[in-house]
Amino acid sequence: EAGVVQSPRYKIIEKKQPVAFWCNPISGHNTLYWYLQNLGQGPELLIRYENEEAVDDSQLPKDRFSAERLKGVDSTLKIQPAELGDSAVYLCASSSPRQGNTGELFFGEGSRLTVL
Amino acid sequence: AQRVTQPEKLLSVFKGAPVELKCNYSYSGSPELFWYVQYSRQRLQLLLRHISRESIKGFTADLNKGETSFHLKKPFAQEEDSAMYYCALRGFGGYQKVTFGTGTKLQVIP
Repeated sequence: EAGVVQSPRYKIIEKKQPVAFWCNPISGHNTLYWYLQNLGQGPELLIRYENEEAVDDSQLPKDRFSAERLKGVDSTLKIQPAELGDSAVYLCASSSPRQGNTGELFFGEGSRLTVL
Repeated sequence: AQRVTQPEKLLSVFKGAPVELKCNYSYSGSPELFWYVQYSRQRLQLLLRHISRESIKGFTADLNKGETSFHLKKPFAQEEDSAMYYCALRGFGGYQKVTFGTGTKLQVIP
C-alpha cells in the first residue's frame, strides 16, 4: 500500500502568491487531517475531515487558508495570498475507525513551503 | 482544552544508557496517549499507544493519571533510536482531535 501521498514535496514561492497542496489518503480512511509543522515545533491541527465534512476547522486561518475534500477522498489545502510566516511543513494524515478505532494517524511525507 | 507538554527539546544519552522522554498532558477526562517517532528522512509514524500496553523496539510508556504523565522509557539506548519523538493525546467526546507536543530530539552517542 502506498500510504498517504502528498504533493508537492517542496514549494518555493514569493509572498502574496497563491499555493496549493494536495493529499491522497490511504484507501478507505474516512478521516483526513491537515497539520502545520513549524521548525522545532510539533504538528498543529489546521482542519479535520470526516468524509467530505470539515468537522474541526477552528485553527484554520480562514482569511487566507481554505481546504476542500471533494467526494470524501482527496483533499486540497490552499493559501492565498501566502505570507512569510506561512513557511512551514504541511502534513496530511488519515485514519480509519474500521481498524478497531485505534486512533493511529498515518502521515504523508509532508509538503515543505518556503515563502520568500 | 487539551494540551501536551514535552519539556525537553533535546536529550543526549550514551549508547547503552537508560532513556526517559518526558510527556505531561492536560485534559479533563480520560485521554488516549500515544508516542510518535520520526526518524531522519522518514515520515512521522506511531511508536506505541498506552491502551495497548505494548513494548515496541524496547520502548514502554505507562499512563500515570495522578501525575498526568506518559513518559517514554527504554532501559538501554541504541544508536538507531536517535530520532524526534512526539507525545500525542486524543480526547473523547464524539470526535478524534489529536494534539501533539513540541517533540524531543533523542541523540544517542556511540
